[in-house]
Amino acid sequence: EPEVTQTPSHQVTQMGQEVILRCVPISNHLYFYWYRQILGQKVEFLVSFYNNEISEKSEIFDDQFSVERPDGSNFTLKIRSTKLEDSAMYFCASSERVAGEETQYFGPGTRLLVL
Amino acid sequence: EDQVTQSPEALRLQEGESSSLNCSYTVSGLRGLFWYRQDPGKGPEFLFTLYSAGEEKEKERLKATLTKKESFLHITAPKPEDSATYLCAVGGAGGTSYGKLTFGQGTILTVHP
Repeated sequence: EPEVTQTPSHQVTQMGQEVILRCVPISNHLYFYWYRQILGQKVEFLVSFYNNEISEKSEIFDDQFSVERPDGSNFTLKIRSTKLEDSAMYFCASSERVAGEETQYFGPGTRLLVL
Repeated sequence: EDQVTQSPEALRLQEGESSSLNCSYTVSGLRGLFWYRQDPGKGPEFLFTLYSAGEEKEKERLKATLTKKESFLHITAPKPEDSATYLCAVGGAGGTSYGKLTFGQGTILTVHP
């Protein structure tokens, strides 16, 4: 069964460093998303991406964040200068839309710890 | 702004003891209501999508229903392996993007043998 994969599973970094989180969406999907979940809190939307551009972004997704689809299979989230409050689980999701219906499938997540 | 509230926050059941989880929502035009299961340290696993009031879907011991204001996830004769956090999310038709999901806090279900 096709699934979304993410690497790395865990990332520890120092405050101020850049991190890149990687995702391989399901192959025939065209819509891509990043969400995050701070420990004990809700899953929060960060950004949606379609046709090589951002469709929508949340208030969390400020200038320190960027997304890219560098090739036909990968989808990345970059945090330029990490802050302590960026520590969270980051989930990638992908979907297709058929007749107006859409279901997002999530990856296993990357646990980011900023020290 | 779309909002999702789930209750109860935690639910402890004995194996075989049926119950229901609630998801109340407000959304500017419901595009879909989604139920996911999340195990500790894992990503949300898709269970159901409901699109319109009155719709029902079933999968094994789980049944999801939808009204104009809330959704229920009914668990019939649960087993210990059903223990997980159950997440409800809504997709609204407002805004510039079709896809954003707004999640509830989740209900932590524990089923004791």
